[in-house]
Amino acid sequence: DAGVTQSPTHLIKTRGQQVTLRCSPKSGHDTVSWYQQALGQGPQFIFQYYEEEERQRGNFPDRFSGHQFPNYSSELNVNALLLGDSALYLCASSLGPGGIGGYTFGSGTRLTVV
Amino acid sequence: DQQVKQNSPSLSVQEGRISILNCDYTNSMFDYFLWYKKYPAEGPTFLISISSIKDKNEDGRFTVFLNKSAKHLSLHIVPSQPGDSAVYFCAASASPSGTYKYIFGTGTRLKVLA
Repeated sequence: DAGVTQSPTHLIKTRGQQVTLRCSPKSGHDTVSWYQQALGQGPQFIFQYYEEEERQRGNFPDRFSGHQFPNYSSELNVNALLLGDSALYLCASSLGPGGIGGYTFGSGTRLTVV
Repeated sequence: DQQVKQNSPSLSVQEGRISILNCDYTNSMFDYFLWYKKYPAEGPTFLISISSIKDKNEDGRFTVFLNKSAKHLSLHIVPSQPGDSAVYFCAASASPSGTYKYIFGTGTRLKVLA
């Protein structure tokens, strides 16, 4: 039973560029949440997708956008990259937005902006 | 404003002894709490949860205690094993408000010494 799959695992981008990160949820899960984890910090909630709509959003600028597809997979897009966007981006899936019982996290995409 | 705080960045414990990891929160609307464990190069793994209607929840060697009046929760691991060495995050959410985004603490690095 595959867990949450994220791609790519590592990425290096230049300031001002755009990036797309991808996530396939665990089988049976229909909700995807995205988190940003800076070095030495806990994961910070970016947004959550359920039924192909953004349901909740954290304190992130509009440069961060996303999408959920009919098969429940999701993309995170970041435009006009800043050095401060360098972080580990985690995708978490759950059955329903509440995630009661906990989310299943992927291993993350390490984004470095130079 | 850090709503979920883990004030101990690291903890070392001898194998076989009890590990106690602490977490404090400031938002009285939080009513569901989770603990995650994270190994290097992996995503966080769900450990145990507790709802605010309880003050204790056990799962094998892991017990979480919740003190709502003190806005404090703790994770007890008994007995501690070397494989428990990881970074532990607590997370909280306020489900009645309809927001299912989890707020994470900054983590405590546990080292279990053989």
